Amino acid sequence: DAKTTQPPSMDCAEGRAANLPCNHSTISGNEYVYWYRQIHSQGPQYIIHGLKNNETNEMASLIITEDRKSSTLILPHATLRDTAVYYCIVRTYGGATNKLIFGTGTLLAVQP
Amino acid sequence: DAGVTQSPTHLIKTRGQQVTLRCSPKSGHDTVSWYQQALGQGPQFIFQYYEEEERQRGNFPDRFSGHQFPNYSSELNVNALLLGDSALYLCASSSRTSGRVDTQYFGPGTRLTVL
Repeated sequence: DAKTTQPPSMDCAEGRAANLPCNHSTISGNEYVYWYRQIHSQGPQYIIHGLKNNETNEMASLIITEDRKSSTLILPHATLRDTAVYYCIVRTYGGATNKLIFGTGTLLAVQP
Repeated sequence: DAGVTQSPTHLIKTRGQQVTLRCSPKSGHDTVSWYQQALGQGPQFIFQYYEEEERQRGNFPDRFSGHQFPNYSSELNVNALLLGDSALYLCASSSRTSGRVDTQYFGPGTRLTVL
């Protein structure tokens, strides 16, 4: 079973920041938080990952709470092309074999 | 730099037939994982290959088998197809650093329809 909880859907206005929450209350010390997104019928796209510090790349920012029990993915200026299902996944980074366990994700709908 | 590629894009088979799906990993990657995604659900892990051996397997029957070649490309084979095997099949590649699996990157998938 997935170790994360996400809202099933969210709306965001184009040009505004999209803030996608994720709860992972049972996360252990060696587990990272990963975010992927999947645009309709395409393969999942890697966005970002982090352990305990906030992370930022060209796509998004990841804010992880101090107790690491939840996180927020931030798309600073959402566009219509950001409409997708966003998956939050916890996994051990760099284990010998590490499958990704996907939940049902959050469907983000960016509105014009 | 080509990303992960999969072939074919779409495939239609009938019940009882066998199918082979192919995956070429991203340049520099040596580990390939396969996932099945049924309509409306998240991807489910099938198995992972490294050094031409199956390293980890999800909860899938023996009808699902795979292979990895010396050039790191991989095949997924499904025998005795069932209607429930209709899904998007995803390949993900990654590299290993000091024996540890790094971030997985996905291909576009193969849409299999079983009639």
